[in-house]
Amino acid sequence: DGGITQSPKYLFRKEGQNVTLSCEQNLNHDAMYWYRQDPGQGLRLIYYSQIVNDFQKGDIAEGYSVSREKKESFPLTVTSAQKNPTAFYLCASSIWDQAGNTIYFGEGSWLTVV
Amino acid sequence: QKEVEQDPGPLSVPEGAIVSLNCTYSNSAFQYFMWYRQYSRKGPELLMYTYSSGNKEDGRFTAQVDKSSKYISLFIRDSQPSDSATYLCAMSATRNNDMRFGAGTRLTVKP
Repeated sequence: DGGITQSPKYLFRKEGQNVTLSCEQNLNHDAMYWYRQDPGQGLRLIYYSQIVNDFQKGDIAEGYSVSREKKESFPLTVTSAQKNPTAFYLCASSIWDQAGNTIYFGEGSWLTVV
Repeated sequence: QKEVEQDPGPLSVPEGAIVSLNCTYSNSAFQYFMWYRQYSRKGPELLMYTYSSGNKEDGRFTAQVDKSSKYISLFIRDSQPSDSATYLCAMSATRNNDMRFGAGTRLTVKP
């Protein structure tokens, strides 16, 4: 089945540690995204990539880093510079179709700072 | 002012009720409008989409866009407990533009 796989589903991080969230897609989509979801705030864009070896900052990129070495993979690193990292993180990819730029989401990763 | 405004609810209705979910927006360039459904602790899934103004119906769901008022709606007829989820509106202007999401409305349909 085609889809987006995020791992791990749940992750605990100690303050001061960097952590990396994995995102893999087999949909052959060019564009990939990372969103952060907090209660009452909806989805906020962290980073996006339209093509391999290229990515752009979204609205809340500070304290995060990404890479796009392969079309299928778009890992997100939450660095110690991110002051409030506890959140639900969603990876997505998109394709241009009759609905517009249709975004497909993974199942999400819960990150908790302990 | 946020680009996309959506009442977060929560909204609770009895089974069989008609549900109305709404979003307003400020960017008149938005042309593509979508509704996503998100079950608890899951990723959002695309429910419906519309382009420009007008209505679109899919089973018990109807999406409406009123560009003159910058207002979109999702109606759910004969609501079921399985419709209990958070519903997010989303919209974009052009094919190179990133999607803007509402905050999501949490809906509970009680048996």
